[in-house]
Amino acid sequence: AQSVTQLGSHVSVSEGALVLLRCNYSSSVPPYLFWYVQYPNQGLQLLLKYTTGATLVKGINGFEAEFKKSETSFHLTKPSAHMSDAAEYFCAVSGYSGNTPLVFGKGTRLSVIA
Amino acid sequence: ETGVTQSPTHLIKTRGQQVTLRCSSQSGHNTVSWYQQALGQGPQFIFQYYREEENGRGNFPPRFSGLQFPNYSSELNVNALELDDSALYLCASSPGSLGTEKLFFGSGTQLSVL
Repeated sequence: AQSVTQLGSHVSVSEGALVLLRCNYSSSVPPYLFWYVQYPNQGLQLLLKYTTGATLVKGINGFEAEFKKSETSFHLTKPSAHMSDAAEYFCAVSGYSGNTPLVFGKGTRLSVIA
Repeated sequence: ETGVTQSPTHLIKTRGQQVTLRCSSQSGHNTVSWYQQALGQGPQFIFQYYREEENGRGNFPPRFSGLQFPNYSSELNVNALELDDSALYLCASSPGSLGTEKLFFGSGTQLSVL
């Protein structure tokens, strides 16, 4: 079984500051890991994913995440926050080479202060 | 734009009623899955259909049922609505037989049960 824990239900950063959203996972099999973003009144948009290979993955809008097996973590970062980054972010895990449904964390709301 | 459309966008029902939510996937996407997102929570997997057959189910009671049609459309039916069924319902489609590597989400249907 898989599970995801997102530390911090709400994160607030200043425009131009580093964004760090934390995600820890639990999986009995090699995981596939994802970050999704949800803007108000919209569905989920894939930011980035880790399947196999390089542990540092780059996504859209300047976001990146690093898979650390020893720490069971997949934290999302962006060097410089922009006002348009304000949204809800979800970390998700899937197992068996992606052949199991996504299990999502509860989400982290990112606020960006001008 | 994911190419996945859901209807209606909003719906209000009363307890005990039945509801049908609809999803239109991209052409060629043989897999469709449905997720329930309660307020302040991450999406939870309801079930998945591949080529018109259910091939995965989450921890939801039988009053949640679905259909998938050859024209890449699908339905989520919920009978005997309860107040806790109030949520955003998300449809996601994939070109593969299984797997979460390439999921495309719709914008969801917001269901309110009074």
